[in-house]
Amino acid sequence: DQQVKQNSPSLSVQEGRISILNCDYTNSMFDYFLWYKKYPAEGPTFLISISSIKDKNEDGRFTVFLNKSAKHLSLHIVPSQPGDSAVYFCAARSSVYAGGTSYGKLTFGQGTILTVHP
Amino acid sequence: NAGVTQTPKFRVLKTGQSMTLLCAQDMNHEYMYWYRQDPGMGLRLIHYSVGEGTTAKGEVPDGYNVSRLKKQNFLLGLESAAPSQTSVYFCASSHRGGLETQYFGPGTRLLVL
Repeated sequence: DQQVKQNSPSLSVQEGRISILNCDYTNSMFDYFLWYKKYPAEGPTFLISISSIKDKNEDGRFTVFLNKSAKHLSLHIVPSQPGDSAVYFCAARSSVYAGGTSYGKLTFGQGTILTVHP
Repeated sequence: NAGVTQTPKFRVLKTGQSMTLLCAQDMNHEYMYWYRQDPGMGLRLIHYSVGEGTTAKGEVPDGYNVSRLKKQNFLLGLESAAPSQTSVYFCASSHRGGLETQYFGPGTRLLVL
């Protein structure tokens, strides 16, 4: 049961245009959503996040939109640059309490390979 | 400041062999995590630790053991490797476990024949 899904395995965009990466989720208990970016042979790095009480968060060229009623979020990159070519993972956070401690569990989507052509 | 490092980068094992993956962080983070990434799937949490001397199970803990004897190190052990454990393993750490950003290592690619 995949609670976070990225249905597009890949996306190809021309430099300067907008890249839109999509993510759907099923669990209403998620309280934060994050996007991670991953280059080959490197670990994922945090890109941007959004609280479940917001519908938009912007950071430079990156904007994340959240539609709670549709359980859908998207990452917009404008303008896209060749250096943005990477795998993008959507992740959703839920609080887990176990053995007297708590932590923010991240549930990841499958990833979308973004290729930005010069 | 190296961040999160993982040793080794790549390893080939035969079925039934054992090995230990080492994760080290120099950011004085309390929380550490082990994930595996398989084709067509996102990262899945194997085990995590909320502090030195403590560990807990994640989503897919079977076949793995972990230890956190020192705050900066988190070890992942495979006692008897199986082909189903062929994967890329990522270690991560965070200052706390809440909204704190998780910082990932570069990964260890493991092939079990």
